[in-house]
Amino acid sequence: NAGVTQTPKFQVLKTGQSMTLQCAQDMNHNSMYWYRQDPGMGLRLIYYSASEGTTDKGEVPNGYNVSRLNKREFSLRLESAAPSQTSVYFCASSAFRGSGNTIYFGEGSWLTVV
Amino acid sequence: AQKVTQAQTEISVVEKEDVTLDCVYETRDTTYYLFWYKQPPSGELVFLIRRNSFDEQNEISGRYSWNFQKSTSSFNFTITASQVVDSAVYFCALESGNTPLVFGKGTRLSVIA
Repeated sequence: NAGVTQTPKFQVLKTGQSMTLQCAQDMNHNSMYWYRQDPGMGLRLIYYSASEGTTDKGEVPNGYNVSRLNKREFSLRLESAAPSQTSVYFCASSAFRGSGNTIYFGEGSWLTVV
Repeated sequence: AQKVTQAQTEISVVEKEDVTLDCVYETRDTTYYLFWYKQPPSGELVFLIRRNSFDEQNEISGRYSWNFQKSTSSFNFTITASQVVDSAVYFCALESGNTPLVFGKGTRLSVIA
């Protein structure tokens, strides 16, 4: 049972390069999320998708774009990477947003921008 | 706005000691949900517990227990007889209204053998 799968697990980018983090869930969940984790900051929401076809900004959306490709997949794109985007990125999903459903997380993607 | 405060940044205890991790939350909603997650050194986030705002019963699961008090807006987590495997970062989180899960900054627990 894979749950939430995100790729790549590790990536080093040069400043200005672009890349896409991929995320897929196999739990038939409606809602998906992207968080970033920085030392001492906890997890902060970048973007979320309450249901297929919708996306909304979270707390720290600047410098990112997202695509909810279908019900299973939710990708995060960095168009022009900056050192401030060095972080650990977590994709997550839940049955429905706002109903207290448990949010399940992927294993994380470690991104370094040099 | 929703907010979660975990005032303890790091805690270090000796194995078999009891330890309590504090969590204080802020929300204006009457319906909300509180969570605890564990992040071991391997980095994944492990769900521990969910509690809704209408259920103030304390919960015990093995060596873990949770004390939810609406009067003080707190949802504290106690580990009894701590073990080295409990060493991790623990996050408290809040979901209320239309806002997805908001996390505290986490408490790093080190259990020393």
